[in-house]
Amino acid sequence: EAGVAQSPRYKIIEKRQSVAFWCNPISGHATLYWYQQILGQGPKLLIQFQNNGVVDDSQLPKDRFSAERLKGVDSTLKIQPAKLEDSAVYLCASSLDRLAGVSQFFGPGTRLTVL
Amino acid sequence: AQRVTQPEKLLSVFKGAPVELKCNYSYSGSPELFWYVQYSRQRLQLLLRHISRESIKGFTADLNKGETSFHLKKPFAQEEDSAMYYCALFDQGAQKLVFGQGTRLTINP
Repeated sequence: EAGVAQSPRYKIIEKRQSVAFWCNPISGHATLYWYQQILGQGPKLLIQFQNNGVVDDSQLPKDRFSAERLKGVDSTLKIQPAKLEDSAVYLCASSLDRLAGVSQFFGPGTRLTVL
Repeated sequence: AQRVTQPEKLLSVFKGAPVELKCNYSYSGSPELFWYVQYSRQRLQLLLRHISRESIKGFTADLNKGETSFHLKKPFAQEEDSAMYYCALFDQGAQKLVFGQGTRLTINP
């Protein structure tokens, strides 16, 4: 089966610019996760969707970050405006449902560099 | 608060030597713990989970509730074991994974 897809794989922007990341989860997976992984740290959950609804966005910096999953499949994560400290790898993952969150499948990530 | 601590950022051992990657956790309740691995240029993937109590690629991990630890062990390291290893805890209340900082394991020939 196809895995979680993400694009772009790399992005370099200047601070105060905007950027968007795209994720296509595994077919049939109801739960989708966005993680931020700063260099030298483990992944940190930013937001969790169940179908097209947000179930946890407690760690999402909502003044600059936004995410949506309008049709319950693909998702986009946006940063506007970006700051230097947003430089990180952004990982998308999916699972069959929330109860199956122990079995998450990860995408390859998008490496963001903010100059 | 739920927390996972991996005290070693870097670990380097020789091929054939035993390996132990340390993981300690803080969790109120019955924990569900995992080890994830990320090989060079590959995506993060599940290595093993404590519930299954199985050996994957020669690695085992035992949950020690008294010491709140879940150390990953392998008796004889191989060069292909070089990778980033992350210990993670599943927070059943929030239904989410909490990761440690990771340990970069390097196996020297």
